[in-house]
Amino acid sequence: RKEVEQDPGPFNVPEGATVAFNCTYSNSASQSFFWYRQDCRKEPKLLMSVYSSGNEDGRFTAQLNRASQYISLLIRDSKLSDSATYLCVAGGSGSARQLTFGSGTQLTVLP
Amino acid sequence: ETGVTQSPTHLIKTRGQQVTLRCSSQSGHNTVSWYQQALGQGPQFIFQYYREEENGRGNFPPRFSGLQFPNYSSELNVNALELDDSALYLCASSSLDRRLAGYNEQFFGPGTRLTVL
Repeated sequence: RKEVEQDPGPFNVPEGATVAFNCTYSNSASQSFFWYRQDCRKEPKLLMSVYSSGNEDGRFTAQLNRASQYISLLIRDSKLSDSATYLCVAGGSGSARQLTFGSGTQLTVLP
Repeated sequence: ETGVTQSPTHLIKTRGQQVTLRCSSQSGHNTVSWYQQALGQGPQFIFQYYREEENGRGNFPPRFSGLQFPNYSSELNVNALELDDSALYLCASSSLDRRLAGYNEQFFGPGTRLTVL
């Protein structure tokens, strides 16, 4: 079983749609959680951190449920430029605090 | 741009060869982490270097090795290349203080795409 699991998609949605991504993690010692965005053949870039209280950044809302070990990302009013792969990430608690990535969910926003 | 650079951009090798990949960290960062990303997968942690010492390692065999220089740049070496080593190799730099809890953002370089034939 992978430490971080997410639906690979692909998700194909029309512009303006709301889309939700879900993710589960198995290591209860994970301390920090993130969503990264990766464009085709590019490096991952931090989209947002995820907190238990939930956090919002414009059209993006992230939520963490530690009891269920579940992370979500909601994108409202999808734009063509949102097309990318979204990676769910758990940050470790060891000295390296390495990142454990899910396999990514591919999103295509259609005109 | 993150200020993290990697070289080369692309590389083609044959099975059994050895390869060295390079990463220059962002100014002010003391830590470099290396990740391997196979096609269709998320990046997997290889190891991390903090102030020139290995500071954590993922589930990779000893033929994956590295080092960090006094200027905090880093190299990843892979010996006896196998076909499955074909991947995008990413380095990420960050500013780590092991005395403190919490997380410091890791900034990724553009990666080196390695093809093993």
